[in-house]
Amino acid sequence: KQEVTQIPAALSVPEGENLVLNCSFTDSAIYNLQWFRQDPGKGLTSLLLIQSSQREQTSGRLNASLDKSSGRSTLYIAASQPGDSATYLCAVCEAGSYQLTFGKGTKLSVIP
Amino acid sequence: GAVVSQHPSWVICKSGTSVKIECRSLDFQATTMFWYRQFPKQSLMLMATSNEGSKATYEQGVEKDKFLINHASLTLSTLTVTSAHPEDSSFYICSNLFGTEAFFGQGTRLTVV
Repeated sequence: KQEVTQIPAALSVPEGENLVLNCSFTDSAIYNLQWFRQDPGKGLTSLLLIQSSQREQTSGRLNASLDKSSGRSTLYIAASQPGDSATYLCAVCEAGSYQLTFGKGTKLSVIP
Repeated sequence: GAVVSQHPSWVICKSGTSVKIECRSLDFQATTMFWYRQFPKQSLMLMATSNEGSKATYEQGVEKDKFLINHASLTLSTLTVTSAHPEDSSFYICSNLFGTEAFFGQGTRLTVV
């Protein structure tokens, strides 16, 4: 059974700092991996999607990497801003079922 | 990306009543939609896969008679929590797939009192 772990569970950084969020998964048979952002009491906003054949994806200040063989992904946020404060969720799409398995998330606080 | 609209965004109901949550795929037809539940400080957990024109597929431990799913059209799936109890209070959220990318609704915060 696929298990997704996100470290750290919470992170607090001063504005302007670069930061890395980590995600690991136990079964490398995946279609893709997605990073989402969730604001309190809200739905999920898709940030980046990395297909299993890709190594990284970039969108603005965000860069996500994928090392499928080792079961790891990182989300790099450059020059963090208070508006980046949210919970970041990592989810893997399992090959064959299209089902997503989520981590518990990393709660990020960017201090002005 | 695909747009998913979920309604209501929050609901408070009395124990024993039923609550219906709607999930609409606004800009494309979705033969499959997914329903998740999220308890505080926990991961999103898949409850069931909703299939247009056929029965939903429920995950282990999810009561199909309690969580009724109807996917009568290619743009609408509904989740009805029947005879709700306080332990059903949670955040319910639906999603669809555009290719292999998942898009989510805004979620519904259900509180059963």
